[in-house]
Amino acid sequence: AQTVTQSQPEMSVQEAETVTLSCTYDTSESNYYLFWYKQPPSRQMILVIRQEAYKQQNATENRFSVNFQKAAKSFSLKISDSQLGDTAMYFCAFMKITAGGATNKLIFGTGTLLAVQP
Amino acid sequence: NAGVMQNPRHLVRRRGQEARLRCSPMKGHSHVYWYRQLPEEGLKFMVYLQKENIIDESGMPKERFSAEFPKEGPSILRIQQVVRGDSAAYFCASSRRGGTEAFFGQGTRLTVV
Repeated sequence: AQTVTQSQPEMSVQEAETVTLSCTYDTSESNYYLFWYKQPPSRQMILVIRQEAYKQQNATENRFSVNFQKAAKSFSLKISDSQLGDTAMYFCAFMKITAGGATNKLIFGTGTLLAVQP
Repeated sequence: NAGVMQNPRHLVRRRGQEARLRCSPMKGHSHVYWYRQLPEEGLKFMVYLQKENIIDESGMPKERFSAEFPKEGPSILRIQQVVRGDSAAYFCASSRRGGTEAFFGQGTRLTVV
């Protein structure tokens, strides 16, 4: 079975600074995706960034980037130039890819509550 | 193109009543997933459905919970004889066949009193 661990329940960062959120996972699968989702107070789950396990290059989306260390099973999220609107709960998630394709069955971590301070 | 629509946003039920949660997937999406988020926890997978088929219900409690996705109309998550422990936010997500991204609705917060 797969597990996803986020060891930082809460973090705080000053506006315009950089913050890194940690995530580790455990799996025996070789083909999978990893995701970071953002959940603001509205409760909407918003996809922030996605990484395919077979790609060595780290994914980047504007101010968001990941550090994917496959051997260490680590998948951290870096937010640069933090903005007040980044305040939210952030969830790391794992999705197995089967022979039939993506399952879209996501395994989530417990989340990190990020507060961006003005 | 409207996103995933869930209703109601908030639902209050007394212990022993039934709760019915609805989810309309995005246009063109044929796969629906239900997740439950207990307070202070991440989302937990419950069930994966395609039109008229349950593909994976490994996360569904064995009793009182059922889900369907009929040929016409929204997907329904049904909880019979609700108990206080069922209080949670229930999220629906949808995807295209073979898609690698699931789009989430805003969730239904169920409160059992």
